[in-house]
Amino acid sequence: AQKITQTQPGMFVQEKEAVTLDCTYDTSDQSYGLFWYKQPSSGEMIFLIYQGSYDEQNATEGRYSLNFQKARKSANLVISASQLGDSAMYFCAMRDDLNFGNEKLTFGTGTRLTIIP
Amino acid sequence: DSGVTQTPKHLITATGQRVTLRCSPRSGDLSVYWYQQSLDQGLQFLIQYYNGEERAKGNILERFSAQQFPDLHSELNLSSLELGDSALYFCASSLRGHEQYFGPGTRLTVT
Repeated sequence: AQKITQTQPGMFVQEKEAVTLDCTYDTSDQSYGLFWYKQPSSGEMIFLIYQGSYDEQNATEGRYSLNFQKARKSANLVISASQLGDSAMYFCAMRDDLNFGNEKLTFGTGTRLTIIP
Repeated sequence: DSGVTQTPKHLITATGQRVTLRCSPRSGDLSVYWYQQSLDQGLQFLIQYYNGEERAKGNILERFSAQQFPDLHSELNLSSLELGDSALYFCASSLRGHEQYFGPGTRLTVT
């Protein structure tokens, strides 16, 4: 079974600083995908970034990058130059990429990020 | 805007009642997923449909059922509602092997 652990329930970061949100995962699968989603106070879930288990390079999307360390089973999200609009809940999620037809996401418990002006 | 639509946005109903939540996936996406987000259980996968067929089931109660129609929209039916069913229900859609895009959610309150 897949499991996602996010150990930081909440974080406070000064505006314009970089922030790292931790995510560790547990799986026996060889092929899997790792995702980060953002949930603002309005409630919607916004896809941020994806990393495949066989991708050799860390994924980047604008100010977001994923620090993927396969041996440590970690997939930390790094947000550079944080902005007030980054204040939200952030969820790490995993998908089994070999099991066609069962592509459910398993989510962590989330980290609430607050950016301080 | 993810391109996934869900209706209604909010729903308030009483215990024992039945409700239907509706989802329209992004254009071209064949897979639809339903998730439940509650304070005590977090985000949990309920069920997945692919091109009209059920593909995977998660922690979905027997009182809940879903279907995906030929036009690919999906409905989640919740019956004999209990207070504990109050939650945010998300629909997501994807192309196979790609990221899932979530709708805005339906907030269900059972009183």
